[in-house]
Amino acid sequence: DAKTTQPPSMDCAEGRAANLPCNHSTISGNEYVYWYRQIHSQGPQYIIHGLKNNETNEMASLIITEDRKSSTLILPHATLRDTAVYYCIVRHSGNTPLVFGKGTRLSVIA
Amino acid sequence: NAGVMQNPRHLVRRRGQEARLRCSPMKGHSHVYWYRQLPEEGLKFMVYLQKENIIDESGMPKERFSAEFPKEGPSILRIQQVVRGDSAAYFCASSPVGQGARNQPQHFGDGTRLSIL
Repeated sequence: DAKTTQPPSMDCAEGRAANLPCNHSTISGNEYVYWYRQIHSQGPQYIIHGLKNNETNEMASLIITEDRKSSTLILPHATLRDTAVYYCIVRHSGNTPLVFGKGTRLSVIA
Repeated sequence: NAGVMQNPRHLVRRRGQEARLRCSPMKGHSHVYWYRQLPEEGLKFMVYLQKENIIDESGMPKERFSAEFPKEGPSILRIQQVVRGDSAAYFCASSPVGQGARNQPQHFGDGTRLSIL
């Protein structure tokens, strides 16, 4: 079973920031937080991951709380092409498989 | 830099036939993972392979399913005597190997959509 909890769906206006929350209250010290998204009929796309520090790349920012029990993925300027299911995944270090939950279905609205 | 390549993109089989799905990992990646996504469901892990070795097959059905990743060539997921319930999207992911690669993300292909008539 997935070790994360996400809202099933969210809406966001085009051009605004999309803030996707994730709870992982049972995360252990050597587990990373990964975010992927799946646009309809495509393979999952890696977005970002982090351990305890906030991370930023060209796609998004990841904010992890100090106690590491929750995190937020931020898409700073959402576009229609960001409409997708977003998955927050907790994973041990190493090459372990990913455990996908149900994710959050983000709808970006014009 | 080519991504993970899966073929075919779509595969149609009749009940009782065999299905072979192929996955070529990204250049420099020698870890391969297979996942299955049933209609309207999330992705479920099936099997994790390195070159010539199965590392974790805890998600593989006990019968009819097998996977290999030979020294040369792509990884193959084989389903024998297919049934209607095998209809799904099958995704392959790969990740790099090496000391600095332990937390590197998996990168996915665009999947093979298997339809059983």
